[in-house]
Amino acid sequence: ETGVTQTPRHLVMGMTNKKSLKCEQHLGHNAMYWYKQSAKKPLELMFVYNFKEQTENNSVPSRFSPECPNSSHLFLHLHTLQPEDSALYLCASSQDRGGATNEKLFFGSGTQLSVL
Amino acid sequence: ILNVEQSPQSLHVQEGDSTNFTCSFPSSNFYALHWYRWETAKSPEALFVMTLNGDEKKKGRISATLNTKEGYSYLYIKGSQPEDSATYLCAFDRGSTLGRLYFGRGTQLTVWP
Repeated sequence: ETGVTQTPRHLVMGMTNKKSLKCEQHLGHNAMYWYKQSAKKPLELMFVYNFKEQTENNSVPSRFSPECPNSSHLFLHLHTLQPEDSALYLCASSQDRGGATNEKLFFGSGTQLSVL
Repeated sequence: ILNVEQSPQSLHVQEGDSTNFTCSFPSSNFYALHWYRWETAKSPEALFVMTLNGDEKKKGRISATLNTKEGYSYLYIKGSQPEDSATYLCAFDRGSTLGRLYFGRGTQLTVWP
């Protein structure tokens, strides 16, 4: 079992659909993240959750709605997306040791999303 | 906008060659510099997290150096093998937010047998 598991691996949705991406980490970490990689762009942070509380929203449109019910699970709820939202969505986790930010991130394999 | 530049964009080498790539980042507000290795269809995997100017880290045939005053880091691979083929990402951490890394676009390495 890998440390960070994401489902589904691939998702195709229409602009009027509602779907959710799921992430689960088995590493005992207390911080989880959503990153996005659009075509030919660098990985970009979307959201940060620390001890289940959202601590960062990197100006993400409200059509992306994250949810973190506990430190091991993270969801990204999608609704009324646009074709330009097609991208690879990566989940990651790390251990927050009280303010230090130089902990390495552990990533999942990502969900490749296509919005038609 | 915070720029993290990686060069070259792609690199093709023969098995056994040694190679290196560059990551450039802002020299101000430095906290840490991360290197990740990303194989196709897999998860990005951390190689190094470097925090001190002059840091050198090594993991097997892969090593990295850090110059925070001039804002660059080098990643070296000695005696490249086909299994080293991957995209190598660097990420700048300015310590402002937990987990907020600024990634470069990566260097895509292909090692031919």
